[in-house]
Amino acid sequence: DTGVSQNPRHKITKRGQNVTFRCDPISEHNRLYWYRQTLGQGPEFLTYFQNEAQLEKSRLLSDRFSAERPKGSFSTLEIQRTEQGDSAMYLCASSVPGMNTEAFFGQGTRLTVV
Amino acid sequence: GEDVEQSLFLSVREGDSSVINCTYTDSSSTYLYWYKQEPGAGLQLLTYIFSNMDMKQDQRLTVLLNKKDKHLSLRIADTQTGDSAIYFCAESTSSNTGKLIFGQGTTLQVKP
Repeated sequence: DTGVSQNPRHKITKRGQNVTFRCDPISEHNRLYWYRQTLGQGPEFLTYFQNEAQLEKSRLLSDRFSAERPKGSFSTLEIQRTEQGDSAMYLCASSVPGMNTEAFFGQGTRLTVV
Repeated sequence: GEDVEQSLFLSVREGDSSVINCTYTDSSSTYLYWYKQEPGAGLQLLTYIFSNMDMKQDQRLTVLLNKKDKHLSLRIADTQTGDSAIYFCAESTSSNTGKLIFGQGTTLQVKP
């Protein structure tokens, strides 16, 4: 297993377009997280899945954002009608359940909205 | 609410010790973490400490936790140029979801 994989690594899009990112977690990791990181800041939690169930969403996740994990394996994060303020690094992490289990992060998808 | 604060920048000379500080607000945090982020790379877990401990040592890394003051520090002994990176402090929330609250990161610059 090569770790958490995110695609694409970079995405440039025009304002108003829709974009979709994909995350492939480490196999058998049934927890999956999406975070957003803007320049000079730490990652901010967006949403969390346990298997295919989306159990928590941050208020940062506006109606334009939707995340899915249909079969409990890979996940997608879609942003509709992108805005310049959506420009950020979108990070995915996965872990096994438990009070203290290491979350393994992918390298992220850098989104630039022009 | 949950908040984690860090100083933004630290510069040291190669061979010196580095100390990166962090304060947090959620007194019910169970675990506290230190992550390292190098340019173009994802976050790498360096070490963590359980909230009922006050110190943890792992090779060149020493974590100190003052739960009363909600203060966490990471000491890197014999700092090397390869340690140059951004270091994030993070706390696990009181819910058992594994969700992390991160600080804004401390950029460590190691001069030769």
